[in-house]
Amino acid sequence: EEQLVESGGNMIRPGGSLRLSCEASGFSFNNYAMSWVRQVPGKGLEWVSAITWNGGNTAYAASVKGRFTISRDNAKNSLYLQMNSLSAEDTAFYHCARGFDSFFDVWGQGTMVTVSS
Amino acid sequence: QSVLTQPPSVSAAPGQKVTISCSGSSSNIGSNYVSWYVQVPRTAPKLLIYDNDKRPSGIPDRFSGSKSGPSATLGITGLQTGDEADYFCGAWDDSLSAYVFGTGTKVTV
Repeated sequence: EEQLVESGGNMIRPGGSLRLSCEASGFSFNNYAMSWVRQVPGKGLEWVSAITWNGGNTAYAASVKGRFTISRDNAKNSLYLQMNSLSAEDTAFYHCARGFDSFFDVWGQGTMVTVSS
Repeated sequence: QSVLTQPPSVSAAPGQKVTISCSGSSSNIGSNYVSWYVQVPRTAPKLLIYDNDKRPSGIPDRFSGSKSGPSATLGITGLQTGDEADYFCGAWDDSLSAYVFGTGTKVTV
């Protein structure tokens, strides 16, 4: 079964940093581009960032550019999101998803990030 | 703020049909593929339609997608109570160099 499992979510104070992880299983992770998509509970979906299969190309939403960094370790079947200078507006469930600029066909359940003083 | 606009809600009786519109622009829907996702609250989104009108394996043909210019439409026929969920459209936006999702539509059966 193709599966994505996120971890690393936590409650953090404004201005703090957090690193999210996403472990893939059931498919050849190194063949696929990956993305992070976030969702405020009860609200819509917001694409955050994407990375190509080899990490050679990345893309970011304007709302996180310069603060978030996406990366991957294909040897560990893992995707990461380093989040710096966090603010209350970053509070959301963060899902990793398989895909880059066309569609997302495998999703993780998400990990919750809460930014609050 | 979402770039793609969807109606907040649609409803119909069991067995009936609903359509959900997704309105964008030439920089997103007008020039790129559209996909659709369904999400039951507190669960992960699930791919319903990709490349405008293709269904992934396991998605019944009650679900259909179409695109015309800067707009797309999701159709659901033979509505079932299990179809009650939130539905989102999505497409790459060339101007923003970002993927954009629709505002979401709640389907009530």
